[in-house]
Amino acid sequence: QKEVEQNSGPLSVPEGAIASLNCTYSDRVSQSFFWYRQYSGKSPELIMSIYSNGDKEDGRFTAQLNKASQYVSLLIRDSQPSDSATYLCEGNNNDMRFGAGTRLTVKP
Amino acid sequence: GAVVSQHPSWVICKSGTSVKIECRSLDFQATTMFWYRQFPKQSLMLMATSNEGSKATYEQGVEKDKFLINHASLTLSTLTVTSAHPEDSSFYICSASQRADTSTDTQYFGPGTRLTVL
Repeated sequence: QKEVEQNSGPLSVPEGAIASLNCTYSDRVSQSFFWYRQYSGKSPELIMSIYSNGDKEDGRFTAQLNKASQYVSLLIRDSQPSDSATYLCEGNNNDMRFGAGTRLTVKP
Repeated sequence: GAVVSQHPSWVICKSGTSVKIECRSLDFQATTMFWYRQFPKQSLMLMATSNEGSKATYEQGVEKDKFLINHASLTLSTLTVTSAHPEDSSFYICSASQRADTSTDTQYFGPGTRLTVL
């Protein structure tokens, strides 16, 4: 089993909808989590970090962490075509592990 | 925000030659730098972690004699792909962190270097 698993998608949502991206992880990477967005041919850019159970909101983005169930999710509200990208989940316990990424397409 | 640059942004070389990629933190001191490789439609794969002034720690399966990493200062790390072959063609990305404990520190990614080996 991979240490960080993501549904590779692709995920397609209409413009204005909520996009939900999920990531599960093993105990080994259970300290802190980061969500990155990566446009095709570009390097990743950090969207959110989350360390504690619960929700963390930043603009249209909400990260949710549930350590008991070992999952972390990213919600994108009011999705825009410019949100179309691959979203990478990273688990970090001083030992980084990335998920395979979920490709999101937001259709106008 | 913190900025990380990479040079070159792309390079094409002949098989058997060596290629050096530079990674610089422009406005902060990077205690730790990371080197990743990403093949098309695949996730980032961590190759190695380097701390300034010490030897890099390589991930399992990454040949340290082929991928030479030097982190000589707090703002510069280099990756040299020695005797490059077509299978080394990939997108190489560096990132930098201000602290040695990366579990809660943000990584700042460079723009990446696309290497094509003919």
